[in-house]
Amino acid sequence: GDSVTQMEGPVTLSEEAFLTINCTYTATGYPSLFWYVQYPGEGLQLLLKATKADDKGSNKGFEATYRKETTSFHLEKGSVQVSDSAVYFCALEHSGNTPLVFGKGTRLSVIA
Amino acid sequence: DAGVTQSPTHLIKTRGQQVTLRCSPKSGHDTVSWYQQALGQGPQFIFQYYEEEERQRGNFPDRFSGHQFPNYSSELNVNALLLGDSALYLCASREWGVATNEKLFFGSGTQLSVL
Repeated sequence: GDSVTQMEGPVTLSEEAFLTINCTYTATGYPSLFWYVQYPGEGLQLLLKATKADDKGSNKGFEATYRKETTSFHLEKGSVQVSDSAVYFCALEHSGNTPLVFGKGTRLSVIA
Repeated sequence: DAGVTQSPTHLIKTRGQQVTLRCSPKSGHDTVSWYQQALGQGPQFIFQYYEEEERQRGNFPDRFSGHQFPNYSSELNVNALLLGDSALYLCASREWGVATNEKLFFGSGTQLSVL
């Protein structure tokens, strides 16, 4: 079945550092890929998405590129802020109305 | 416009008891899904309701059941609680027929602790 693997956390960075959170997936066909963010005490929020190979999703300074050849969707941000501290989930959607399949999440802590 | 609302926010039960969690979808949404997020894990799909019927189900035992009401709100029921049922239960809503989960909105969840 479909699966998503994320790098283990927690990740602790200083403010303005570069962020990479690795995500790889296993799926048949051509899934859509997502990054969700979960702030303390809140539900999941969609951060960005990509629907086909070589698409780049971006939002709030975060970016991720859909790499079919490496089945990856790594999340990057050039300069993190304390407010980016949260848990980040990589997810895939195999087809339109199917449920999301999530990775285990990566906790990011940014210190001033 | 209220988003997805869930109640209660926290709940403590003992093994063997039964629990009911509630969800009101975002305005305009008619489809509700439930996910279980165990500590340190990603959310796992339990089931989805549309038109008051269960449309899809994940790999969860029959102890997990649900209901959707005519106003699109939903309940998740768990019988014979086990310690392993302790988790954050997330409700998510969308419009049926929207081609992607991009338009899926999550509530803040109900934290269930089973002692």
